[in-house]
Amino acid sequence: AQSVTQPDIHITVSEGASLELRCNYSYGATPYLFWYVQSPGQGLQLLLKYFSGDTLVQGIKGFEAEFKRSQSSFNLRKPSVHWSDAAEYFCAVGARSGGGADGLTFGKGTHLIIQP
Amino acid sequence: DTGVSQDPRHKITKRGQNVTFRCDPISEHNRLYWYRQTLGQGPEFLTYFQNEAQLEKSRLLSDRFSAERPKGSFSTLEIQRTEQGDSAMYLCASSLSPQSPLHFGNGTRLTVT
Repeated sequence: AQSVTQPDIHITVSEGASLELRCNYSYGATPYLFWYVQSPGQGLQLLLKYFSGDTLVQGIKGFEAEFKRSQSSFNLRKPSVHWSDAAEYFCAVGARSGGGADGLTFGKGTHLIIQP
Repeated sequence: DTGVSQDPRHKITKRGQNVTFRCDPISEHNRLYWYRQTLGQGPEFLTYFQNEAQLEKSRLLSDRFSAERPKGSFSTLEIQRTEQGDSAMYLCASSLSPQSPLHFGNGTRLTVT
């Protein structure tokens, strides 16, 4: 069964500083990988996805993530955060085979706090 | 693209009552998913449909839970005899194919008192 670990429950970053949110996954083959962001009381918005090809993927709002197969990681980065980036961030893994298991498995999330 | 719509946004009910939530997916999406999210946790998969067929149910979906998608469009999630442990955000998502990202609604927050 697939699983996702987000080691950091909370991260505090100063506005304008760079950001890296960690994500490690467990899956028996090459997975589909996603990052979603959730603002309080809202649903989840897709930031970016990795299906295949270039291991560095660009997303919305200036975010990028790099798939590293050897480390089973898919860390999210942003060179300069804005106060509006404060939210909950979820990494998710999806199975490649249809087979009834193509729903996503999410990590527990990382709460990003932006200091002025 | 009107997005995934969920109704109601909030529901407060007393323990033992039945509740029903509705999800309207993006119109061309044939796959529809229900997730549950409790405080401080990521969403947990409950069940999904391809068109009107319910193809998988999580072990989290006890006998008190039932989901339907009768015409392959909107879906309903019913919880019978609600318990305090059912308090959570119930999220609906839809997608075009297994390779497509999920598009989430804003969820229904259930509080069981």
